[in-house]
Amino acid sequence: AQKVTQAQTEISVVEKEDVTLDCVYETRDTTYYLFWYKQPPSGELVFLIRRNSFDEQNEISGRYSWNFQKSTSSFNFTITASQVVDSAVYFCALSDLTYGNKLVFGAGTILRVKS
Amino acid sequence: DGGITQSPKYLFRKEGQNVTLSCEQNLNHDAMYWYRQDPGQGLRLIYYSQIVNDFQKGDIAEGYSVSREKKESFPLTVTSAQKNPTAFYLCASRTTTGGVVEQFFGPGTRLTVL
Repeated sequence: AQKVTQAQTEISVVEKEDVTLDCVYETRDTTYYLFWYKQPPSGELVFLIRRNSFDEQNEISGRYSWNFQKSTSSFNFTITASQVVDSAVYFCALSDLTYGNKLVFGAGTILRVKS
Repeated sequence: DGGITQSPKYLFRKEGQNVTLSCEQNLNHDAMYWYRQDPGQGLRLIYYSQIVNDFQKGDIAEGYSVSREKKESFPLTVTSAQKNPTAFYLCASRTTTGGVVEQFFGPGTRLTVL
């Protein structure tokens, strides 16, 4: 069965600090997708990034970067120079390619950025 | 603007009543999903539909029902058989073309049973 673990329940940082959110996944599939979503206080999930299992290149988008390592089944998310607006719940998710492309979510990490 | 709308934003229900949550999308997406979110937990899949007039149970379908009569609409009914319905409900959709696999979410409906 597929499983996603986000061991950090809550992280608090001061503005401008760098912060890394951990994500570890389990799957027997050789082809799969990994995602990060952001849930601000309004509640709507915002898609941040998708990565497929054949692409282990790290990705950077502005202050956001993602590190995918198949050897450790991890897909970690780093925010550089955090800002108060980054405060949210962040979810890591895993999808297979079976019918429906269902997502399996981790429990989420609450990030609090203080000014 | 294209997007996913859910209504109402807040919903209160008395025990023993059925209630229907609305989800509409104008993105021309084929697939639609319903998730439930409880405090401190991730999202869990209730039902999903890949095409009109077809839907499948997710991991926690008991006490819920859905219909998919139109491509743009995927309403969820929370029945009296659902023992603990108080939660935040999120609807999502996805195109099934072009290799796109990410789902896009609506703003959610917060259901409280009184």
